[in-house]
Amino acid sequence: DSGVTQTPKHLITATGQRVTLRCSPRSGDLSVYWYQQSLDQGLQFLIQYYNGEERAKGNILERFSAQQFPDLHSELNLSSLELGDSALYFCASSGSRSTDTQYFGPGTRLTVL
Amino acid sequence: GDSVTQMEGPVTLSEEAFLTINCTYTATGYPSLFWYVQYPGEGLQLLLKATKADDKGSNKGFEATYRKETTSFHLEKGSVQVSDSAVYFCALSKRNNDMRFGAGTRLTVKP
Repeated sequence: DSGVTQTPKHLITATGQRVTLRCSPRSGDLSVYWYQQSLDQGLQFLIQYYNGEERAKGNILERFSAQQFPDLHSELNLSSLELGDSALYFCASSGSRSTDTQYFGPGTRLTVL
Repeated sequence: GDSVTQMEGPVTLSEEAFLTINCTYTATGYPSLFWYVQYPGEGLQLLLKATKADDKGSNKGFEATYRKETTSFHLEKGSVQVSDSAVYFCALSKRNNDMRFGAGTRLTVKP
């Protein structure tokens, strides 16, 4: 158990809909990262938040957005969903040092029908 | 930009065989290097890491050495077990953000 929790575990929705994925980092970790894992694109970094502020952006679509709240949990919002958004979405957290390890949650499997 | 290339799988070995999964990287500066493992239906778990040249990361019998001269971080294990069957990801990170992962190598160990 990494200490990172993600809800829900599975999500099935329809094209055009909007969903919210939730992540709670390990106790004491200030950084939260979101990744998308799909068969064709592999594991891709989406976005990082550090103590409530956006720190880095990767291959995140404009239809996707994220935020980190004062209690440090984070939410990833996916809107106008397309079939190609079906994937595993992982959250990871780490401490503040540049060499700190990222610890991954169990993931949310999103299926868009 | 920074990237990681790892050997394509799948890799199938018999129990107690020697394992090598090759990983090379392209990066400016001095990245940290990682191996993560993903068991079926689970998230990624850190297997080992190295933060500077010539460092050796090791865990659960797995080892990898950060070779700056060859830009490599190959994963090795002397004797694999059925329980090692998983997908292995090589990754690099600078300043601990925008971690770049390889495509993953699926390992199957047969009894």
